[in-house]
Amino acid sequence: AQSVSQHNHHVILSEAASLELGCNYSYGGTVNLFWYVQYPGQHLQLLLKYFSGDPLVKGIKGFEAEFIKSKFSFNLRKPSVQWSDTAEYFCAVNVWDDKIIFGKGTRLHILP
Amino acid sequence: DTGVSQDPRHKITKRGQNVTFRCDPISEHNRLYWYRQTLGQGPEFLTYFQNEAQLEKSRLLSDRFSAERPKGSFSTLEIQRTEQGDSAMYLCASSLAGGAYEQYFGPGTRLTVT
Repeated sequence: AQSVSQHNHHVILSEAASLELGCNYSYGGTVNLFWYVQYPGQHLQLLLKYFSGDPLVKGIKGFEAEFIKSKFSFNLRKPSVQWSDTAEYFCAVNVWDDKIIFGKGTRLHILP
Repeated sequence: DTGVSQDPRHKITKRGQNVTFRCDPISEHNRLYWYRQTLGQGPEFLTYFQNEAQLEKSRLLSDRFSAERPKGSFSTLEIQRTEQGDSAMYLCASSLAGGAYEQYFGPGTRLTVT
């Protein structure tokens, strides 16, 4: 069965620090990959997605993620975080037009 | 607002009671998903529909759980004989058919079983 592993459960950073959140998935075939974000008190929303082409994808609010097929990874990055990035981040994978499997999430706290 | 809506937003019930939740997807979306989320976990897939057909059910969905989407529009999720372990946030999402399409999530229904 497919699974998604997020390396960090809780990350605390100061504003302007660089961010990288790790995500690995277990499936050897073609996948679609997503990062969703949930800001405090808000719905889950899509941050970015990869389904083909350039393995470096850019999303909203300056986030980007790199798909490395050989490592089964899809890490999320942002060069300089802001206090407003405080949220919970979920990596997710979709296989063969099927349901999406989510990781357990990483709670990011940015200190002002 | 043309997003996904869920009703009620909160539900407190006593163990053994039945509860029903409703989800209204984005109107042009033919897929509708139900997830459950507990503290410290990501959303866990329960079931999904394409139009009115229920295409897959998770093993998490015991016999006490049933979901319907009778006309391919709104959906209901019913839990019979609730247990304390059913306490969770129940999320609904909708999308167009196709794995690369984004799922749009509703605000969720928080169930507390006392």
